[in-house]
Amino acid sequence: DAGVIQSPRHEVTEMGQEVTLRCKPISGHNSLFWYRQTMMRGLELLIYFNNNVPIDDSGMPEDRFSAKMPNASFSTLKIQPSEPRDSAVYFCASSPTGLNQPQHFGDGTRLSIL
Amino acid sequence: QKEVEQNSGPLSVPEGAIASLNCTYSDRGSQSFFWYRQYSGKSPELIMFIYSNGDKEDGRFTAQLNKASQYVSLLIRDSQPSDSATYLCAAYSNTGNQFYFGTGTSLTVIP
Repeated sequence: DAGVIQSPRHEVTEMGQEVTLRCKPISGHNSLFWYRQTMMRGLELLIYFNNNVPIDDSGMPEDRFSAKMPNASFSTLKIQPSEPRDSAVYFCASSPTGLNQPQHFGDGTRLSIL
Repeated sequence: QKEVEQNSGPLSVPEGAIASLNCTYSDRGSQSFFWYRQYSGKSPELIMFIYSNGDKEDGRFTAQLNKASQYVSLLIRDSQPSDSATYLCAAYSNTGNQFYFGTGTSLTVIP
């Protein structure tokens, strides 16, 4: 079975540019999560969706960050405009239903903002 | 105080020994607990999850949960060099429907 699929694997762009990260959850999973991981702050939950609806976006750091889930098999995390401090590894994860069930992670997107 | 706390390590054990990784949590509403393994440059990989007090065993791994003392641990028996990684503890709390990751413990198994 295919796991969580993220793209791109690596992204290098200049400050001020728009960045779009993509995620395809495991088929049949109803919950999708976006995380950011840095050495300083560890893994941070940014936002999660249940049945394509955003449930909690309190972890989104600023208005420059936005996320959408237009259907059950696709989600995007967008940063506009990007800043060097946004450089991190961004993970997408999915679970059958909700935060209280095991989450399965994608391979992540390593983002570098110059 | 962080909601989930782990000793960052590094923890070093010889090959074949038992590695013991510990995690404490502050939210008494926490009810589900997860252990993830993360190799350097890779994504977190689920190893174990535990919902009830007591022990849960899966192969060389045993998760232990003590809700009264608010700690959860992971034991790795017969440690192998391939177990060298960072181990992340995570907890779900129904108080506000929150999910917390610890900062991880780095484990090195010495051949």
